[in-house]
Amino acid sequence: KNQVEQSPQSLIILEGKNCTLQCNYTVSPFSNLRWYKQDTGRGPVSLTIMTFSENTKSNGRYTATLDADTKQSSLHITASQLSDSASYICVVSATTGTASKLTFGTGTRLQVTL
Amino acid sequence: GAVVSQHPSWVICKSGTSVKIECRSLDFQATTMFWYRQFPKQSLMLMATSNEGSKATYEQGVEKDKFLINHASLTLSTLTVTSAHPEDSSFYICSATRREQFFGPGTRLTVL
Repeated sequence: KNQVEQSPQSLIILEGKNCTLQCNYTVSPFSNLRWYKQDTGRGPVSLTIMTFSENTKSNGRYTATLDADTKQSSLHITASQLSDSASYICVVSATTGTASKLTFGTGTRLQVTL
Repeated sequence: GAVVSQHPSWVICKSGTSVKIECRSLDFQATTMFWYRQFPKQSLMLMATSNEGSKATYEQGVEKDKFLINHASLTLSTLTVTSAHPEDSSFYICSATRREQFFGPGTRLTVL
């Protein structure tokens, strides 16, 4: 069964600090891994997308890593801002033929405080 | 580009009534759209896959007669929650595919 697990479940950090969110997956056949940011009451917004051959990808203060051998990914947020407070969801895509299916993690709820 | 909109953004209805939610891809054509449901503090759960011009494919446990999906054009899919009950209260999110899935802003449904 395809699964995506994220840790921690929730996290509180001070503004300006860095943090790292983790994602472990058992999805096959692996196609790509995405990190989304979901503000409360809003739809998810894509931060990064990585394929099997990519180890790291950055989007501003967000840097995602992927280790396809250990099936782990991380999302590092640098110099956090209050606006970073949101849920961060790891989503892994499996592709069979022309059909792709997404498996969603339960997310990490990040709260950035003063 | 790749903007997906939903309407309404929130709706409150009485138990037993039907509610229609629209999902539009604003600047691209989407052969496939997806409908998700998200309960508080949980992740998105796929309800159905909607293909333009054909019947939607529902996930196991999702009642197709209760959640009617129509994908009449390449830019519009609708989800109708029929005879809504309080347990249908949730956050409904659609997505449209153009090489990857782009999500709409969601619709908060509250059934009284």
